[in-house]
Amino acid sequence: NAGVTQTPKFQVLKTGQSMTLQCAQDMNHNSMYWYRQDPGMGLRLIYYSASEGTTDKGEVPNGYNVSRLNKREFSLRLESAAPSQTSVYFCASSDGTSGNTIYFGEGSWLTVV
Amino acid sequence: AQSVTQLDSQVPVFEEAPVELRCNYSSSVSVYLFWYVQYPNQGLQLLLKYLSGSTLVKGINGFEAEFNKSQTSFHLRKPSVHISDTAEYFCAVSATKWGSGGSNYKLTFGKGTLLTVNP
Repeated sequence: NAGVTQTPKFQVLKTGQSMTLQCAQDMNHNSMYWYRQDPGMGLRLIYYSASEGTTDKGEVPNGYNVSRLNKREFSLRLESAAPSQTSVYFCASSDGTSGNTIYFGEGSWLTVV
Repeated sequence: AQSVTQLDSQVPVFEEAPVELRCNYSSSVSVYLFWYVQYPNQGLQLLLKYLSGSTLVKGINGFEAEFNKSQTSFHLRKPSVHISDTAEYFCAVSATKWGSGGSNYKLTFGKGTLLTVNP
């Protein structure tokens, strides 16, 4: 079972470069999320998509854009990468109902130099 | 809006000892409560969750948690830990109703507790 798949797993970027993190889920979930994880900060929500066709800002959206391409796919784009965006990024999905379990991908390690 | 405080950033214990990881939350609306575990270099997976009913919730790998509404706490416990329980543990909350406090069911996480089990 694939669950939530995100690519790439590792990436090194130079300051100012752009890149897109891809995420796909095969559980027919309505809601998808992008979190970033930094030491001592826990997970912070960047953007989420409650359902296909909608996206909303989370806690830390600055410097990022997202696209909910279809029900399966939710991408995160860094238009002009900054060292402060060095982090581990997690994509997640859920069925979007009350009390639902959120399922996470294995993470993408991004370093901006 | 909701917030979660995990009272210990690191908890070292010896194998076969009991452990308690503490979590307190703050919310202006009714919440559901979750514990997730993250093993090294992996994503997060659900340990257990409290939605309603009995305040004592049992999860995977022998963990349990107790919801205490008056103390706004959801502490995680295990009577006897193994080396393989070494991981980071995250407490999280979500609103029970769509649109409550603008939260829309999304999870708010604590900063995590690193549990290290030593032989």
